[in-house]
Amino acid sequence: DQQVKQNSPSLSVQEGRISILNCDYTNSMFDYFLWYKKYPAEGPTFLISISSIKDKNEDGRFTVFLNKSAKHLSLHIVPSQPGDSAVYFCAASRTGTASKLTFGTGTRLQVTL
Amino acid sequence: DVKVTQSSRYLVKRTGEKVFLECVQDMDHENMFWYRQDPGLGLRLIYFSYDVKMKEKGDIPEGYSVSREKKERFSLILESASTNQTSMYLCASSLSTGGRETQYFGPGTRLLVL
Repeated sequence: DQQVKQNSPSLSVQEGRISILNCDYTNSMFDYFLWYKKYPAEGPTFLISISSIKDKNEDGRFTVFLNKSAKHLSLHIVPSQPGDSAVYFCAASRTGTASKLTFGTGTRLQVTL
Repeated sequence: DVKVTQSSRYLVKRTGEKVFLECVQDMDHENMFWYRQDPGLGLRLIYFSYDVKMKEKGDIPEGYSVSREKKERFSLILESASTNQTSMYLCASSLSTGGRETQYFGPGTRLLVL
C-alpha cells in the first residue's frame, strides 16, 4: 500500500524554465512533508519541508505547495539549472511516530541546456 | 555539519553469508534508521532505533536484524544473505525534537548478493 505516490517517474525541463514535481498521499494523518534530492551514488539530502498548518514554503529557487484537501503537494524549482538534475523524493510523517518518514517512489528530473 | 558515514560503499557477498552494514553519526542524534532503495519502489524503511538498545521494525524487516549498542552506531545485519537483498542500503539519523525532524543520510552501501 503506497501511502505516498509520485506518479511521474521522470521529467525533462529546459534550463531556466520552471520544474514542477508532484506528490500525492493517502494518509490524512500525515502532517509534515519533506522533499529530498538524490544524486547517483550519494545519499539523499534534505531540500525543503512544509507543515500541514501552511500551504506554501519558499527557500530561494525552491517552493513547496501543499493542498490538504486534495492530499497533494508539489515542488517548484524556478529557474531550473543543470545542477538540479537528480532524483527527487517526497516524504511524509505524522506527529508521534518518532520522526519516521514514508517516502514516495521518486521522480528523476533532467534539466537540459 | 551532520555527518553520517557507512562502513562500505560497495559490497559483494554470496548467498547464505552473514552480512554486517555499519553506520556511524557524529551529531549525537537519538534516532537512526536503515532503508533500502530499489528502482521504482523508492526508499523503504527496514528498521529504526530511537535510543540505545531500542529498535522498532519498519515496513520491510523480514530477513534483517539490527543492533544499537552505542548512540552513534547502528548496524544492519543480514543473517543469511539472499539475492533479493541486492539493493542500495541507506542509513539516516535525526535529532528528537518532538516532531518535525529532518533525517540526514549517509552515502549508501550498494550490496550485491550473488
